[in-house]
Amino acid sequence: SQTIHQWPATLVQPVGSPLSLECTVEGTSNPNLYWYRQAAGRGLQLLFYSVGIGQISSEVPQNLSASRPQDRQFILSSKKLLLSDSGFYLCAWRGQGPDNQPQHFGDGTRLSIL
Amino acid sequence: AQSVTQLGSHVSVSEGALVLLRCNYSSSVPPYLFWYVQYPNQGLQLLLKYTTGATLVKGINGFEAEFKKSETSFHLTKPSAHMSDAAEYFCAVSLIQGAQKLVFGQGTRLTINP
Repeated sequence: SQTIHQWPATLVQPVGSPLSLECTVEGTSNPNLYWYRQAAGRGLQLLFYSVGIGQISSEVPQNLSASRPQDRQFILSSKKLLLSDSGFYLCAWRGQGPDNQPQHFGDGTRLSIL
Repeated sequence: AQSVTQLGSHVSVSEGALVLLRCNYSSSVPPYLFWYVQYPNQGLQLLLKYTTGATLVKGINGFEAEFKKSETSFHLTKPSAHMSDAAEYFCAVSLIQGAQKLVFGQGTRLTINP
């Protein structure tokens, strides 16, 4: 069966520090991969998605970047964190093919910027 | 453009009462529709989905939803609320062709009163 792992689960970082959040998927190949951010009391905002290695689509201009160095690995990064980067970050995957397939989510990373 | 509207950011019902969470969508083509549930500090879990066929869809935990094309709605219901149903619920829509991503509603927080 397929599983998705995100780490770390929680992270406290100072303003201006770098960031790297990692997401890996097991049990499937060539998945679509997604990064979302959920600010306190707000809905989900799609940040990036990827349909293949090295293919990244950015949904909103921001202080973050994403990379997909391997088929089942998706990394969210920042060179200098801002206070506004605080939030709950969720990674998700979906199988290739028609859009009637649901996305499957990891357990998220709670990021607090001090 | 697609959009999803969840009426009511907060819904409160008594234990044992009917749960009704509303979702309306706008799409230029027949959509695929999903409901997800999110418990505190966790990722999203798929409750149910509509793709094609029967318009009444049954999901996990006793939830069901009915796709009504004429009303562009996909409301989520459960006949009898349980304390464990307290969570945030998200409706999402996907284009049939090639969008590769979901559009989420803003979410509805469900509170169950004893």
